[in-house]
Amino acid sequence: DARVTQTPRHKVTEMGQEVTMRCQPILGHNTVFWYRQTMMQGLELLAYFRNRAPLDDSGMPKDRFSAEMPDATLATLKIQPSEPRDSAVYFCASGSTGANYGYTFGSGTRLTVV
Amino acid sequence: GQSLEQPSEVTAVEGAIVQINCTYQTSGFYGLSWYQQHDGGAPTFLSYNALDGLEETGRFSSFLSRSDSYGYLLLQELQMKDSASYFCAVRDSLSGSARQLTFGSGTQLTVLP
Repeated sequence: DARVTQTPRHKVTEMGQEVTMRCQPILGHNTVFWYRQTMMQGLELLAYFRNRAPLDDSGMPKDRFSAEMPDATLATLKIQPSEPRDSAVYFCASGSTGANYGYTFGSGTRLTVV
Repeated sequence: GQSLEQPSEVTAVEGAIVQINCTYQTSGFYGLSWYQQHDGGAPTFLSYNALDGLEETGRFSSFLSRSDSYGYLLLQELQMKDSASYFCAVRDSLSGSARQLTFGSGTQLTVLP
């Protein structure tokens, strides 16, 4: 089965450090989302790309977060500097504009900022 | 703004039928999806409704009424492995161009033996 690959699976870092999370979408998928999941806020949309172009990043704190797709096989989410409130599971999802709009999620990166 | 409402918890017994409701308020509505998430896992796509009516996929069915801004997920012949969180998600557009996916807060389904 095709899958969305996220690295790292787990990351523990100190406050103030830079964190980079990577995502390899499924080959051929032209839509990529980044979501953050916490108990309090649920699944929050951070960024949304179509054909590598950012379409919506209004859910992302611009002062410390950035999302890019340098090529069709790689999406990155960076936090600099990281803060304890950034502790969450970050999911990447990919899909194609098509009939059922079912998006495939990666396994997530569990980030802990201490 | 956007909002989705679904019950926070539902409990049922093995073999039973359960319905998880979802009401939404959004602009530029394009469709309603359902995702399943087991503890520690990733959300997994279950179904998508763009038009009114019932979509059936095995033991799971999903229904949409656009006039009522309402949908539900129906799970039949419940199994223990169905214990998970279920999220409704609307495919919508705030800007008129970018169609994003906004999730509800999820319903924790517990299936009892």
